[in-house]
Amino acid sequence: NAGVTQTPKFQVLKTGQSMTLQCAQDMNHEYMSWYRQDPGMGLRLIHYSVGAGITDQGEVPNGYNVSRSTTEDFPLRLLSAAPSQTSVYFCASMSPAGANNEQFFGPGTRLTVL
Amino acid sequence: RKEVEQDPGPFNVPEGATVAFNCTYSNSASQSFFWYRQDCRKEPKLLMSVYSSGNEDGRFTAQLNRASQYISLLIRDSKLSDSATYLCVVNTGGFKTIFGAGTRLFVKA
Repeated sequence: NAGVTQTPKFQVLKTGQSMTLQCAQDMNHEYMSWYRQDPGMGLRLIHYSVGAGITDQGEVPNGYNVSRSTTEDFPLRLLSAAPSQTSVYFCASMSPAGANNEQFFGPGTRLTVL
Repeated sequence: RKEVEQDPGPFNVPEGATVAFNCTYSNSASQSFFWYRQDCRKEPKLLMSVYSSGNEDGRFTAQLNRASQYISLLIRDSKLSDSATYLCVVNTGGFKTIFGAGTRLFVKA
């Protein structure tokens, strides 16, 4: 199993550009989520999904869209990039049946918005 | 007040030392508790769950005090490879998971 994969690993955008961060998991997990990690802030939840076709907002959803057309994929779209979105983005998945609800994280995408 | 608070450190300790990290959480209805480890520029990974009765995994011991809303992690006989950031994580029900900002540990030779 590859676990949780994310692409790209690094990205530089200009203000106003849009892009999609890709996330996929091969563990058949129902729950997937996107976090951003900023220095001193911990991981903050952007959006999450409890299954295909179902998404909801987390703590910091503004400026981001998600969709969940399949169990495996959960892309994150930046609509119009802003310097405040410079961060490290992690995708995670979790199975309710998993021991103690462990979350499995992808390797992250380091995004810089100029 | 943050929902999960940790001392950011850094903690600088020599090899072989014992080091303890503390974490407090604000939601008394929180249901499950974890410590994750995050290496520099890597993703977080589960270190251990925390049970009410306390639990141990090798050199690592986790404790939970529900009355004080307090979680701890004790690392005995520190190794160079223990250098990382340790994240306190609290699940408040269903899929709602709150991460602390992390405590950095440097173990020196």
